[in-house]
This record gives sequence, structure tokens and C-alpha cells, in this order.
Amino acid sequence: DTAVSQTPKYLVTQMGNDKSIKCEQNLGHDTMYWYKQDSKKFLKIMFSYNNKELIINETVPNRFSPKSPDKAHLNLHINSLELGDSAVYFCASSQGGTGRRAEAFFGQGTRLTVV
Amino acid sequence: GESVGLHLPTLSVQEGDNSIINCAYSNSASDYFIWYKQESGKGPQFIIDIRSNMDKRQGQRVTVLLNKTVKHLSLQIAATQPGDSAVYFCAEAPTSNTGKLIFGQGTTLQVKP
Repeated sequence: DTAVSQTPKYLVTQMGNDKSIKCEQNLGHDTMYWYKQDSKKFLKIMFSYNNKELIINETVPNRFSPKSPDKAHLNLHINSLELGDSAVYFCASSQGGTGRRAEAFFGQGTRLTVV
Repeated sequence: GESVGLHLPTLSVQEGDNSIINCAYSNSASDYFIWYKQESGKGPQFIIDIRSNMDKRQGQRVTVLLNKTVKHLSLQIAATQPGDSAVYFCAEAPTSNTGKLIFGQGTTLQVKP
């Protein structure tokens, strides 16, 4: 019944490694997002996809590469992990568009710790 | 730049009291606003929303007020309960049709029994 699910919930890895976070939504939404929440709880959008097409890329380093195989999935691959990548990453989805269609539904988050 | 900010990082209230959490936004082109609640270890959850053509909206124990003149939002929680302890975010949706939400920095609400 989970609307937006992401895995894993926790990820601990060494600097320089490559890792992926997976996300799936069963809400039938057209738009999916990745947000990053830093240690001060600030939430900032990273990417947005609409029907598998990238529509927002908020100047995220190109070590981060989102991939959307279909509109229900948006995965995040991170190459050459750095200490500063440690954060909680949230996947979200919405109907897309303005007004109420912009309401985002969030997953439980993936706490990434780079050591 | 784009920003939505909250005035207080932490708010501590007594159980049963009313809570007011404030937010100032900067993008006058935004036409939709949401308050989210984030409990520890969870993702943000929708509480209440308001369109820019309204100045007040009420839900169950929560009320959102919008003052477009001074670009100010507030969330009022009546009879605050321990289960209300969480981080609260306001978010604005610009009219750019991308569905993007811009979040404020969050206010941590602590409810004392």
C-alpha cells in the first residue's frame, strides 16, 4: 500500500564508491522528484522527471545521474561519492503542474552516510 | 534568489496550548502553498494547503493563514498534542508549471507534557 517507496533506507559507504537509490510510486503520478535534506533539515530539489523526461536539474554535480525507466520509477545513481554527499535523500511524486497538482508525496527517505 | 523561510527554528509549547508557526516567502509568483509535517525518520507529510486566492483555510485542528501583502504564511495548531511534535515546513509552488516545490528551513515543534 506504500505510495512512494525507496530503497535502501540506510546506506553507509566509503568515499569514491558508486551507489544507487531506487524509488517507485504507485499513485499513477506523472512527475517524480529527488530532494536532498541536509543536516540542518533544509530540503532542496535536485531533479524532476515528467513522464520519463528530465524537466528540472538544479545544478547538481554530474556525479548524480537520475534514471527513469518508466513513469513509476525514478532511480538515483551517484558516482565517486564524497563526504559532502552525506544527507537524507527523498524521492517524491506529484501529478505535476500548478496548484494542487504540485502537492508532492514523499518516500521515507534514504540516509546516506559517506565515510 | 528563491527562498521560503521560517522565523523560528524551534518552538516549544505546553500540551493543550495553541501553536503558531510562521513562514515568510519571497516569490510573489507562487500561487499555491503547503504545510508539511516531518516526524523523525520519516518523509514530509501533507498537512494543509492554500491557494493564493484565499487568505484562510481550516482543517482538523489546523488553520493556515496567508497574507500576500507581506508574503507571510502561518500554521496554527489548536490544542497541541504530543503527537504534533515534529519539524514543520512551509513550501511554495511557483506558477512555472514544473510542479517544483520550494521549501523553507523548517521549525521544530516540541510539545511539553
